[in-house]
Amino acid sequence: GQQVMQIPQYQHVQEGEDFTTYCNSSTTLSNIQWYKQRPGGHPVFLIQLVKSGEVKKQKRLTFQFGEAKKNSSLHITATQTTDVGTYFCAGPGGATNKLIFGTGTLLAVQP
Amino acid sequence: KAGVTQTPRYLIKTRGQQVTLSCSPISGHRSVSWYQQTPGQGLQFLFEYFSETQRNKGNFPGRFSGRQFSNSRSEMNVSTLELGDSALYLCASSPGTGQGEKLFFGSGTQLSVL
Repeated sequence: GQQVMQIPQYQHVQEGEDFTTYCNSSTTLSNIQWYKQRPGGHPVFLIQLVKSGEVKKQKRLTFQFGEAKKNSSLHITATQTTDVGTYFCAGPGGATNKLIFGTGTLLAVQP
Repeated sequence: KAGVTQTPRYLIKTRGQQVTLSCSPISGHRSVSWYQQTPGQGLQFLFEYFSETQRNKGNFPGRFSGRQFSNSRSEMNVSTLELGDSALYLCASSPGTGQGEKLFFGSGTQLSVL
């Protein structure tokens, strides 16, 4: 079945450093979504990318959708302690387009 | 608008028991999806309900079942609980009218099976 992998699984950075997580799907995606889950919280929608090669920015966060629509990345510039959490990518998969979540990347930020 | 509400927040059960979890979606949302989250397996899709019908199903045993009511509220049931069922169960709602809709998650029910 379809798999969505993310790397790294975990990253620890000093506050102010940049951070990037990569998402790779075994199949082409019609769109990709990104979610953030704070420790002890629930996933919260961040953004959706639809077009091949699309790039979107939200303040210090930059999201990219690959040309082949099989991979995506999230880059955070100058991390802050408020960025702590697990970042998930997700894409519709299977015959019925249920949303399949990536394995997630846990970001720890040391002040 | 009120968010997605899940009850109870925490549950402790013993092996062999059954459990029912409840989810009230955002008003106007007709699709409710359920996910199981564990440290080792991440977010695993259980099933999705739309207009009282199961529209999607993940790869979970038949012990896991669900239903949706006419007001879009959904319940999930797990029978004959096993230790491995300990997890955070998340419910998410969406309008249900299009593909690739963003999901709005509830706070989840943390189930511990002893």
